[in-house]
Amino acid sequence: QKEVEQDPGPLSVPEGAIVSLNCTYSNSAFQYFMWYRQYSRKGPELLMYTYSSGNKEDGRFTAQVDKSSKYISLFIRDSQPSDSATYLCAMSADSNYQLIWGAGTKLIIKP
Amino acid sequence: NAGVTQTPKFQVLKTGQSMTLQCAQDMNHNSMYWYRQDPGMGLRLIYYSASEGTTDKGEVPNGYNVSRLNKREFSLRLESAAPSQTSVYFCASSDRLSPLHFGNGTRLTVT
Repeated sequence: QKEVEQDPGPLSVPEGAIVSLNCTYSNSAFQYFMWYRQYSRKGPELLMYTYSSGNKEDGRFTAQVDKSSKYISLFIRDSQPSDSATYLCAMSADSNYQLIWGAGTKLIIKP
Repeated sequence: NAGVTQTPKFQVLKTGQSMTLQCAQDMNHNSMYWYRQDPGMGLRLIYYSASEGTTDKGEVPNGYNVSRLNKREFSLRLESAAPSQTSVYFCASSDRLSPLHFGNGTRLTVT
């Protein structure tokens, strides 16, 4: 079993829908949680960065961490075709050198 | 503001050939990383350099060597390329617990 599990998709939704992307993990020591967005043939770029539990909101994006369930989510409101990309979750206990990555979920927003 | 620059963007090698992937960052970050990305596998850390003058193995170091030339530059060398090293290689940089900044990758095919 992988330390971080992420459904590879693809997830296809119509423009304007609310999108929910998720990762589950097994290591209870993780306390730094990140979501990266990766467009085709580009490097990953940071979208959201959360420490410990709780919610964080940035514009149309909301990141949630539920440490009791070992489950993190990224919600995208009013989804746009430009949101079509692969979304990677990443997490760590105490350093970037031990960052563990999900395999990524491919998201397609249909106009 | 270039961020993290990787060269070359594409490369095709024959089995047994050698090559060096170059990476430079202009954000004055202390830490630099080399990752490989394969379908369904997520990002896997090959080597990292916590600071100038130090390098350490990551999850998948076999078949690779690295050099931290100075604070800006971190190179990855394949001494004798194998088909299993066909992948997309990403360089990243960060300060201690800040999120990683990635380059746009080198797409390597070994035949």
